[in-house]
Amino acid sequence: AQSVTQLDSHVSVSEGTPVLLRCNYSSSYSPSLFWYVQHPNKGLQLLLKYTSAATLVKGINGFEAEFKKSETSFHLTKPSAHMSDAAEYFCVVSDRTRKLIFGQGTELSVKP
Amino acid sequence: EAGVVQSPRYKIIEKKQPVAFWCNPISGHNTLYWYRQNLGQGPELLIRYENEEAVDDSQLPKDRFSAERLKGVDSTLKIQPAELGDSAVYLCASSSEGWRGNYEQYFGPGTRLTVT
Repeated sequence: AQSVTQLDSHVSVSEGTPVLLRCNYSSSYSPSLFWYVQHPNKGLQLLLKYTSAATLVKGINGFEAEFKKSETSFHLTKPSAHMSDAAEYFCVVSDRTRKLIFGQGTELSVKP
Repeated sequence: EAGVVQSPRYKIIEKKQPVAFWCNPISGHNTLYWYRQNLGQGPELLIRYENEEAVDDSQLPKDRFSAERLKGVDSTLKIQPAELGDSAVYLCASSSEGWRGNYEQYFGPGTRLTVT
């Protein structure tokens, strides 16, 4: 069975500093992986996705993630945090039926 | 392009009462999903439709939950009777080209249900 583990339930950074949100996955085959962001009272929005092409995936708003098969990781990074990045972030893996399996989420806080 | 529309946005009911949620997907999207998101957790799939057909309802508690998508467009999710543990955010999502294609899911804002 496929699963994801988000290693931090809450991350706090200062504006302008790098962001790192950690995600490990478990899959019996080559997975498709995603990062979604959820702002308060808004729908989930896809940030980026990995589907067995380039291992470094660039997404919207300056975010990127690197697929590392040897480490079973798919960490999300951004060089410089902005106040508007404060939100809940979900790492997601899809199973063979393309069903999305979400992690528990990481809440990102950005301090001025 | 209008996004996924859900109503109501908030609902407070007493336990044992019925409740219904409505979703209108993005125009042209043939695949529709209902998720439940408990507080502090990620969403979990309840049911997936391809057009009018429910192709995956394995996670839907069928004793009290029901869903329909009669014309392959909008959908209704119902709970009868509601229990305290049903308090959650109910999310609707849609995607185009079927779940075997691009299948990027677009989510609505959700309905926050509180059962008292």
